[in-house]
Amino acid sequence: NAGVTQTPKFQVLKTGQSMTLQCAQDMNHNSMYWYRQDPGMGLRLIYYSASEGTTDKGEVPNGYNVSRLNKREFSLRLESAAPSQTSVYFCACRGTLTEAFFGQGTRLTVV
Amino acid sequence: RKEVEQDPGPFNVPEGATVAFNCTYSNSASQSFFWYRQDCRKEPKLLMSVYSSGNEDGRFTAQLNRASQYISLLIRDSKLSDSATYLCVVNRGTSQNTGNQFYFGTGTSLTVIP
Repeated sequence: NAGVTQTPKFQVLKTGQSMTLQCAQDMNHNSMYWYRQDPGMGLRLIYYSASEGTTDKGEVPNGYNVSRLNKREFSLRLESAAPSQTSVYFCACRGTLTEAFFGQGTRLTVV
Repeated sequence: RKEVEQDPGPFNVPEGATVAFNCTYSNSASQSFFWYRQDCRKEPKLLMSVYSSGNEDGRFTAQLNRASQYISLLIRDSKLSDSATYLCVVNRGTSQNTGNQFYFGTGTSLTVIP
């Protein structure tokens, strides 16, 4: 059981480039989340999806878009990367009355 | 005001010591509470849920005070392997408009020294 799988694990982008972070879960959970983690800031919610077909903004959505492709997959897209988006990105999922399960993270550097 | 506030530490304690972490949350409608552990450069993982009556799991004890909107984690007989960052997490529960949102504290860093 893989749980939550994120790809890629590491990425370096140039300012202005675009990329999509992929996340897939095999836990059959309805809710999925994208967080970013920066030093001294903790985990901040970018977007979440309460169920297939729905997405909502979190605390820091600017500069990002998401797609809940199906129940398993929730992708995060940076259309025009900026140095301020250098961070560690975590995808998570949660079922009803369960804790959140996290992927291993994507370390993104924008130069 | 932040949803969840924690003392970032760092806490440096000798092996065998008892250490306590505290956390406050701002929204009285919060429904579920957790402590997560995060090792360096790894993803957060659930340490334990926090129940209204308080709960214990081996050397770890979690307490919740809804009136004061306060959560605590006590670690007894600290081990070197307890060195990590401990995240306080609060969940408001599910609604049609807000979904099932988690709010994280910034984490408290613990180093257990031989």
